[in-house]
Amino acid sequence: EAQVTQNPRYLITVTGKKLTVTCSQNMNHEYMSWYRQDPGLGLRQIYYSMNVEVTDKGDVPEGYKVSRKEKRNFPLILESPSPNQTSLYFCASRLQGPSYEQYFGPGTRLTVT
Amino acid sequence: QQQVKQSPQSLIVQKGGISIINCAYENTAFDYFPWYQQFPGKGPALLIAIRPDVSEKKEGRFTISFNKSAKQFSLHIMDSQPGDSATYFCAARSISSGSARQLTFGSGTQLTVLP
Repeated sequence: EAQVTQNPRYLITVTGKKLTVTCSQNMNHEYMSWYRQDPGLGLRQIYYSMNVEVTDKGDVPEGYKVSRKEKRNFPLILESPSPNQTSLYFCASRLQGPSYEQYFGPGTRLTVT
Repeated sequence: QQQVKQSPQSLIVQKGGISIINCAYENTAFDYFPWYQQFPGKGPALLIAIRPDVSEKKEGRFTISFNKSAKQFSLHIMDSQPGDSATYFCAARSISSGSARQLTFGSGTQLTVLP
């Protein structure tokens, strides 16, 4: 089954404790990205990657890191989480090119206390 | 700066009624306008999309109306059903500019269809 998976689905952590949210896709997509979803703000892009070893900032990259060492994986790293990073996070992937459909993972709900 | 403005924030419709969600954009470079549907606990999923060379696109009960001069587009759900209850996001993207940037999303509309 073609899909984007994220782990963990739910995470409660404390301020300053480094964490990683994993994302993996099995569709051989070149393009992957991370979004955060907050009430009233829709989805905002954090980082994206056009291919292996190619990443760039989205609209809200502060406090986040990413890496793309393999085509299928795109982990999101919060080295020192803060309460304002409490949010619902989505990973997405698609093929390169115009108007290709973007596939979203099921989301990771993160709470930072 | 929110480049895609969506309204209303929430919408309650009776079964069989028409649901209408509106979006307005600012960036004239946008040339791809999808709508996403999101059920609780799930990621958004593409519902329907339109390019600005047409004024309307229909897929089943879902229709996008597009007004290029007004920089507005809307989603119409005909014969709304309780199963349509979800959050809907409009989005926009510039394909022709060659930018690698992803979609710019509206703020979302929570639709409730009463039985």
